[in-house]
Amino acid sequence: DTEVTQTPKHLVMGMTNKKSLKCEQHMGHRAMYWYKQKAKKPPELMFVYSYEKLSINESVPSRFSPECPNSSLLNLHLHALQPEDSALYLCASSQILAGGGRTDTQYFGPGTRLTVL
Amino acid sequence: AQKITQTQPGMFVQEKEAVTLDCTYDTSDQSYGLFWYKQPSSGEMIFLIYQGSYDEQNATEGRYSLNFQKARKSANLVISASQLGDSAMYFCAMREDFNFGNEKLTFGTGTRLTIIP
Repeated sequence: DTEVTQTPKHLVMGMTNKKSLKCEQHMGHRAMYWYKQKAKKPPELMFVYSYEKLSINESVPSRFSPECPNSSLLNLHLHALQPEDSALYLCASSQILAGGGRTDTQYFGPGTRLTVL
Repeated sequence: AQKITQTQPGMFVQEKEAVTLDCTYDTSDQSYGLFWYKQPSSGEMIFLIYQGSYDEQNATEGRYSLNFQKARKSANLVISASQLGDSAMYFCAMREDFNFGNEKLTFGTGTRLTIIP
């Protein structure tokens, strides 16, 4: 099974709201990712967690706050977003191969379509 | 510099015909992986096929095959006997393996494939 789930599917929020996106996988993967995808563009990496620790932050504004409470869950907390943050947010996970080496294929969730008013 | 180039923004193909989606890449790394993902209008990124830089045989997965020409740095996706459900955006992506456990995927700009009945 290569399933990554994301909730909610759709989210509309105002610029003063606080909301969270949730991602879950039960494949035993120890690397998890957040991507942002604008319409007609490829996904852009935001954050990478390896073994529940933040390993890559692609200079993402602090209004996006990731959290990895355990090896199966990844959250993205949103606060004071701007309309230009409206996008599809994709979560992905991958196995870290034996010996703490290379990451394997990334499997993606269905995404959350975020609209900021 | 563009690391992944997909030169076909859109393609129209008759149902049941084979189709080749082009992908060229640029890396100085000796160890890397190449991936193809399919993204239907629903938004989910679906993993299709993987080719490692040291793999001598071209990868195949059902109706999908990857025409890997290492010297030319190309990794074209071939879909045999296309079906209406193949209509989607297709992304080529590369993982460079120089930073174990923290590799990033670099995506091309995508090709929108439309299958005509």
